[in-house]
Amino acid sequence: SQQGEEDPQALSIQEGENATMNCSYKTSINNLQWYRQNSGRGLVHLILIRSNEREKHSGRLRVTLDTSKKSSSLLITASRAADTASYFCAWMDSSYKLIFGSGTRLLVRP
Amino acid sequence: EPEVTQTPSHQVTQMGQEVILRCVPISNHLYFYWYRQILGQKVEFLVSFYNNEISEKSEIFDDQFSVERPDGSNFTLKIRSTKLEDSAMYFCASSADRGSDQPQHFGDGTRLSIL
Repeated sequence: SQQGEEDPQALSIQEGENATMNCSYKTSINNLQWYRQNSGRGLVHLILIRSNEREKHSGRLRVTLDTSKKSSSLLITASRAADTASYFCAWMDSSYKLIFGSGTRLLVRP
Repeated sequence: EPEVTQTPSHQVTQMGQEVILRCVPISNHLYFYWYRQILGQKVEFLVSFYNNEISEKSEIFDDQFSVERPDGSNFTLKIRSTKLEDSAMYFCASSADRGSDQPQHFGDGTRLSIL
């Protein structure tokens, strides 16, 4: 199977705290992307990290990539109630299709 | 900011009927994709399309499925004879290129319910 896993499956934190989500994958990748999905809605692209990059920042988001361990993490700093959503990692394989992780459901309590 | 748009947002169809899901990708994008998400499960790749041809398809994309770019703007997914297990959220995506720094941009999806 080309699928990987995300953990935790669910995360509940207080507003202002940081949220960390982890992703593991199994194949070689061109890049790894993180998406957010609000309930019943589409996938919103958050950030992309190339396979030759180790860390990337975008606003309150920080992504790391360790290709030797085939893992990535997404850190959301100073979380807000509006960050409540499901977060998915997706890695682009050698045929340029995205393979999605199982997702982390994040709840940020006001 | 340009968006991928999908219609309809919700489609209810009797089992065995044909259904066409429509997508308008971002206008200067060249690569198009369909994914699906069965309720509570992972997002799964169905098919990619470039230069009026299928580039790759998954095992899910059997003979009941087809894709078409009938004109310069629309990209459609047709399911010929729907089954109960086709009930899912279907997402269209597009990208400008297939390079390692090119994200795929997704539409809001069509929720397909087969009765």
